[in-house]
Amino acid sequence: AQSVTQPDIHITVSEGASLELRCNYSYGATPYLFWYVQSPGQGLQLLLKYFSGDTLVQGIKGFEAEFKRSQSSFNLRKPSVHWNDAAEYFCAVGFGNEKLTFGTGTRLTIIP
Amino acid sequence: NAGVTQTPKFQVLKTGQSMTLQCAQDMNHNSMYWYRQDPGMGLRLIYYSASEGTTDKGEVPNGYNVSRLNKREFSLRLESAAPSQTSVYFCASRIRGQGRNEQFFGPGTRLTVL
Repeated sequence: AQSVTQPDIHITVSEGASLELRCNYSYGATPYLFWYVQSPGQGLQLLLKYFSGDTLVQGIKGFEAEFKRSQSSFNLRKPSVHWNDAAEYFCAVGFGNEKLTFGTGTRLTIIP
Repeated sequence: NAGVTQTPKFQVLKTGQSMTLQCAQDMNHNSMYWYRQDPGMGLRLIYYSASEGTTDKGEVPNGYNVSRLNKREFSLRLESAAPSQTSVYFCASRIRGQGRNEQFFGPGTRLTVL
């Protein structure tokens, strides 16, 4: 069965510092990959997605992610975080059927 | 466009009570989904509907029923609520037939079962 791992439950970074959130998946085929963000008390908003082609994808709010097939990873990055990036981030994978599989999420805290 | 809407936003039930969570989307999407979100467990799929008139079980369907009333609406029913069903429930939708398309989420319903 397909699975998604986000190894970091909680990350704290200083405002202005760089950020990398990790995501690994297990499955033989290349999946469709997504990152979603959830602010407190809100639904999930799509940050970016990867289907094929260029392995570095750009998203909203200055985020990017890189697909590395050899590592089965799709890590999310941002060069300089802002206080309003504090939220929970979810990686999700799909394999051409109806369903997505979500990771357990990484909560991001920003300190001044 | 309102996107995906859910009602109610909050609900408190007593064990054994029933209720229906409502979801509607105005994006003309074919597929709709119900998830529950619990701390440390991410989102888990309860049921989904690939098109009007069809529904399928997800990862955690026990204790729930669904109805795809029409293309716009997809409801989730708890017949006899249990404390284990205390959770945040999200509805989502997407265009069917293209597996790579992202899902769009509603704002959620926070349910507490006492």
